[in-house]
Amino acid sequence: AQSVTQLGSHVSVSEGALVLLRCNYSSSVPPYLFWYVQYPNQGLQLLLKYTSAATLVKGINGFEAEFKKSETSFHLTKPSAHMRDAAEYFCAVDSGNTGKLIFGQGTTLQVKP
Amino acid sequence: ETGVTQTPRHLVMGMTNKKSLKCEQHLGHNAMYWYKQSAKKPLELMFVYNFKEQTENNSVPSRFSPECPNSSHLFLHLHTLQPEDSALYLCASSQEMTMNTEAFFGQGTRLTVV
Repeated sequence: AQSVTQLGSHVSVSEGALVLLRCNYSSSVPPYLFWYVQYPNQGLQLLLKYTSAATLVKGINGFEAEFKKSETSFHLTKPSAHMRDAAEYFCAVDSGNTGKLIFGQGTTLQVKP
Repeated sequence: ETGVTQTPRHLVMGMTNKKSLKCEQHLGHNAMYWYKQSAKKPLELMFVYNFKEQTENNSVPSRFSPECPNSSHLFLHLHTLQPEDSALYLCASSQEMTMNTEAFFGQGTRLTVV
């Protein structure tokens, strides 16, 4: 069965600093992995997805993530944080090629001026 | 704006009430989903509809009753809820049920059961 673990429920960075949000997955089949962002009082918006093409995936708003099979990881990064990046971020894995997503618990990103 | 609209945005209901949540998409998608987002817990998939047919009921209590009259609309009928059912209910849609298609989420309905 597939599962996702996000390490750190809260991450705080200064504006301009590197953002690193961690995600590890468990999957018995080649996974499809996603990062979603949820701004306050909003639904989820897709940041990027890995679908077995390039291991380094670029998304919207300057975010990218690297799929590392040996580490079963799909960490999300951004070189320089902006205040508007403050939100909750969810890593998700597809549950067996069905379009049904299994989500991690989420990481709240705080950006300090 | 994702193209998926949920109404109402906020709902307070008593445990004996009956209410319905509505989700609408005009993206031409064929799959629609209900998720529950509770505090401190991962999003939980509740129901999946594909071409108006329910394909998944993720062990959801019968006090939650989904309805999909057409591919553009999805309802969640609520009755005799419990306080622990208070959560953000998110609707999503995708072109089809494969991992290669993006799921678009609505803004959610914040439900409070009193």
